Amino acid sequence: QIMLTQQAESLWISPGERVSITCRASQSLLYTDGKHYLSWYQQRPGQTTKALIYHASVRTDGVPTRFIGSGSGTEFTLSIEHVQPEDFAIYYCLQTLKSPWTFGGGTKLELK
Amino acid sequence: EVQLVESGGGLVQPGASLKLSCVASGFTFSDYWMSWVRQTPGKTMEWIGDIKYDGSYTNYAPSLKNRFTISRDNAKSTLYLQMSNVRSEDTATYYCTRTGRAPFDYWGQGVMVTVSS
Repeated sequence: QIMLTQQAESLWISPGERVSITCRASQSLLYTDGKHYLSWYQQRPGQTTKALIYHASVRTDGVPTRFIGSGSGTEFTLSIEHVQPEDFAIYYCLQTLKSPWTFGGGTKLELK
Repeated sequence: EVQLVESGGGLVQPGASLKLSCVASGFTFSDYWMSWVRQTPGKTMEWIGDIKYDGSYTNYAPSLKNRFTISRDNAKSTLYLQMSNVRSEDTATYYCTRTGRAPFDYWGQGVMVTVSS
């Protein structure tokens, strides 16, 4: 199965800063249609888990533009510009290129 | 507004069976693939399986396919997860999810299952 590694378990940042969360796959997530099958999710306490990004860089409806997905092949990044108080959460990457779909271990954004 | 509401969790003994339900609203349930995902107490996320919009196809995580069964009743807008011969490692919060343009684009609040004697 494809393994996803989120190296940082936690990142400490201050509101207003920019942060990047990385996700590394054990093999390329590029499919023959030219799309990367990598998604990002946000999990906040007391809220339902929210899909942020799919196909590595496409924001889902209503996701603020400060969330930016990038990367290709095996290396992917979720960047958050000007972090807001509501962005302190756990972020997961997910691959849906090859079953079984697999998640990264998660990265928790914490207040510095 | 899309809503997914899970139920049926609780404390269950090892070796027992349990059936979780997820009632969907706010969208045409029969148009969407649905899935179950679980999260361990240590926050690890694990995909359990998917079911096609008409129920004609299911796909499971290999480690779970012999014990877990996903089904749906489109007339009731309800998704099910039948768990059998549960083990302590099945202790987790179980989430019902929908797949739209994005995989798992909507999630329920989750239901806790604790396997313990």
